[in-house]
Amino acid sequence: KNEVEQSPQNLTAQEGEFITINCSYSVGISALHWLQQHPGGGIVSLFMLSSGKKKHGRLIATINIQEKHSSLHITASHPRDSAVYICAVRKLGSGGGADGLTFGKGTHLIIQP
Amino acid sequence: GAGVSQSPSNKVTEKGKDVELRCDPISGHTALYWYRQRLGQGLEFLIYFQGNSAPDKSGLPSDRFSAERTGESVSTLTIQRTQQEDSAVYLCASSLREANYGYTFGSGTRLTVV
Repeated sequence: KNEVEQSPQNLTAQEGEFITINCSYSVGISALHWLQQHPGGGIVSLFMLSSGKKKHGRLIATINIQEKHSSLHITASHPRDSAVYICAVRKLGSGGGADGLTFGKGTHLIIQP
Repeated sequence: GAGVSQSPSNKVTEKGKDVELRCDPISGHTALYWYRQRLGQGLEFLIYFQGNSAPDKSGLPSDRFSAERTGESVSTLTIQRTQQEDSAVYLCASSLREANYGYTFGSGTRLTVV
C-alpha cells in the first residue's frame, strides 16, 4: 500500500464547479505539500501545511493531522486549473532530508468550459 | 536567478551514450533534490544535497547514475550508458534549508533514449 494515497485519480468537471481533491497518508509527517503540474511537466508548489488551513486566491488547502488527511479545494474552477495535482509528505524523522518528499500519484483534473 | 533553471529542456540520446543534466538552484538555497518522473508515473526521489554534507544517494536506481554539486550552486546529474528505461522527465528542486521549507521546482529535462 502506498504511503500517500490520492483520490480521485481522474476528475472531469464543468467550469465554475467546486473541486475537492483528497490526500490520505499512513505515516507520521512534519509537513504536507500540494503541487500543481501542468502539461509539459512544470511543477509549481501551491501550499505547504503542517496544521489547519491555508488559502491562496481560489485555492484552499486543509489538513487534519489526527485523521492523516488533507484536502485541496478549488472554488469557481476554470479551464486553466486543468493540471495534475500532487500531494507530497515529508515524513517525521527525515530531518536532514534523507529521502526528500514522498509523493502521491497525482489527481488529473480537467475543467471543461 | 529568480527560479530553478534546468538544462537542456529536452534531450534525445542514443542508447549506450552518456548524458549530463544541469540544475541551477535559487541562489542561497542550500538544499537541492533530483527527482525522476517516468511517463504516467509519480515522482521518484533520486538524490539530495545539503550544503557541504555528503549527499544522500539512496534513491539512485543504479551505479550508472551519479550526481555532483559544486558547493551550494550548480548540480549535474550524469547517466552513463543510457538505457531506454532511463527515458523520463528529470526534475530538480531546491529549498532554503531541509525539512519543512517550501520547494521550488525547475521545469525539468525531458530525456528520451532511442
